[in-house]
Amino acid sequence: GEDVEQSLFLSVREGDSSVINCTYTDSSSTYLYWYKQEPGAGLQLLTYIFSNMDMKQDQRLTVLLNKKDKHLSLRIADTQTGDSAIYFCAATVTGGGNKLTFGTGTQLKVEL
Amino acid sequence: DAMVIQNPRYQVTQFGKPVTLSCSQTLNHNVMYWYQQKSSQAPKLLFHYYDKDFNNEADTPDNFQSRRPNTSFCFLDIRSPGLGDAAMYLCATSSLIHRTYEQYFGPGTRLTVT
Repeated sequence: GEDVEQSLFLSVREGDSSVINCTYTDSSSTYLYWYKQEPGAGLQLLTYIFSNMDMKQDQRLTVLLNKKDKHLSLRIADTQTGDSAIYFCAATVTGGGNKLTFGTGTQLKVEL
Repeated sequence: DAMVIQNPRYQVTQFGKPVTLSCSQTLNHNVMYWYQQKSSQAPKLLFHYYDKDFNNEADTPDNFQSRRPNTSFCFLDIRSPGLGDAAMYLCATSSLIHRTYEQYFGPGTRLTVT
């Protein structure tokens, strides 16, 4: 089955860019997602990308997809303290019952 | 605003005492999911409903059951909670009609077992 991995921690200074990386194993993954989870809260969908795209930009967020290497990244421009949270990438496969496979999550800490 | 609502936000139950968590949605999505999330871990899918069709994950313990009486509501029943069932329980919804498969999550219910 699908395996999704992320680095556990990332620390950046306020105003810098953050890049959170994710790798997945199933080349038939059709949609890839980024979710944000603040302490004690549910998951908030930030953005998603279809597998036939290699980039998607949405305000401060840029998603890059390298399908050949099965690598996904989320870049947050001008990172703010309010961006401190856990970020999960997730993948789904068409015909997989619409189920998501989540990565382990990356804890982003934004320092002043 | 269309949303996914979970009640209660915090639930304390005793070891072995049945507990029910509830989820409702105003999105009119046909798929509803229940996830278990333990501290510092990714959400783990327990089961999902595609309309009225129930789909259990192979490794979901029998102790966990679910009901979906209508499109808007879904319940998670834990028949005999153990200490290992203490976790955040997340409900999510999705609409296959849109074909982008994104899931929308509720705020979660934090379950404590004493």
